Amino acid sequence: KQEVTQIPAALSVPEGENLVLNCSFTDSAIYNLQWFRQDPGKGLTSLLLIQSSQREQTSGRLNASLDKSSGRSTLYIAASQPGDSATYLCAVRSTSGTYKYIFGTGTRLKVLA
Amino acid sequence: SQTIHQWPATLVQPVGSPLSLECTVEGTSNPNLYWYRQAAGRGLQLLFYSVGIGQISSEVPQNLSASRPQDRQFILSSKKLLLSDSGFYLCAWSAQVEKLFFGSGTQLSVL
Repeated sequence: KQEVTQIPAALSVPEGENLVLNCSFTDSAIYNLQWFRQDPGKGLTSLLLIQSSQREQTSGRLNASLDKSSGRSTLYIAASQPGDSATYLCAVRSTSGTYKYIFGTGTRLKVLA
Repeated sequence: SQTIHQWPATLVQPVGSPLSLECTVEGTSNPNLYWYRQAAGRGLQLLFYSVGIGQISSEVPQNLSASRPQDRQFILSSKKLLLSDSGFYLCAWSAQVEKLFFGSGTQLSVL
């Protein structure tokens, strides 16, 4: 059974810092991994999708990497801004023939001005 | 472009009352559709997913049910709500590009 863990659960950093959020999964047989952002009381917004054959994806100040063999992904945020404050979640889709996405519990990020 | 609509945004219901949450997707055909629930301070729990009209897979035994009467319509229902049904309900869809897109969510409070 696939399990997804995100550490730390919460993080506070001063504005301008580069930071790394971590996502671990127990079963390396994944189809893809996706990172999301969730603002309080809102739905999830897709940030980056990494297919199993890819090592990383970049969008603006965001860079996500994938190491399938070790069951890990990281989301790197460069030059953090107060507007980056949100909860970040990762989700994996396993290659078990279903369409299920299993989510981690998220990292709550606060960027201080 | 594709959009997903979910309503209502908030709902307060008494214990034992029925529930119906609706989700529709525009701009795509034959999407995979999902219902997730997010309890306060917890991760997303997959409740149901559907790969086609009338095809529903249930992930968690509970007093909720889902139906897909049309290709781009997904409905979450309950005949009698429990206190434990309170939470933030999210509808989502995915297509061949595999990205998962979410609606804006429904905050359900059962009192």
